Amino acid sequence: EAGVTQFPSHSVIEKGQTVTLRCDPISGHDNLYWYRRVMGKEIKFLLHFVKESKQDESGMPNNRFLAERTGGTYSTLKVQPAELEDSGVYFCASSQGLGDSRAKNIQYFGAGTRLSVL
Amino acid sequence: AQSVSQHNHHVILSEAASLELGCNYSYGGTVNLFWYVQYPGQHLQLLLKYFSGDPLVKGIKGFEAEFIKSKFSFNLRKPSVQWSDTAEYFCAVNGGDMRFGAGTRLTVKP
Repeated sequence: EAGVTQFPSHSVIEKGQTVTLRCDPISGHDNLYWYRRVMGKEIKFLLHFVKESKQDESGMPNNRFLAERTGGTYSTLKVQPAELEDSGVYFCASSQGLGDSRAKNIQYFGAGTRLSVL
Repeated sequence: AQSVSQHNHHVILSEAASLELGCNYSYGGTVNLFWYVQYPGQHLQLLLKYFSGDPLVKGIKGFEAEFIKSKFSFNLRKPSVQWSDTAEYFCAVNGGDMRFGAGTRLTVKP
């Protein structure tokens, strides 16, 4: 079974440019999450999709960040325009439907995209 | 608001030493508790989890963790570490949304 895949693995851009990160969740997982880790700090929640709908986007830093999950499959996270403080590792995770089974609450992570804004 | 605190930023041990990584959380309701590990160059992997029942949970690679509800703690332990355990370890708490600690980098010297 393929895991969560993220592309690119590393992106280096200049301040003011636009970057789009992509996440392909595990097939059949309704839940998709985006997280960000700024160097040395905790992994912070950004948002949560259930299928194509945004369930919770309370962690999105500002309106320069736009996440989409058209069709409820893969997701993109666009940063436009990028600022220096956006640098960090962006993780994507997916899980099955939450339902009543706590076992379905396990999130599986991708390897992350390291974003460097210069 | 939920928060997770990991006490150690970087731990350096020799092979065969015992390991204990601290994790405390603040949340008043029912939580699911996790330890994830990220080996160099790899993705975050689930090491072990606690949902309910026996507060001592065993995970992969000889790791275990104990949930002490009264202390809001979920410390990770391993009796004897190996060089291959060198990685970063993250404690996470899910009481509705997943919240992570800042991570503890473990270096095991051969």
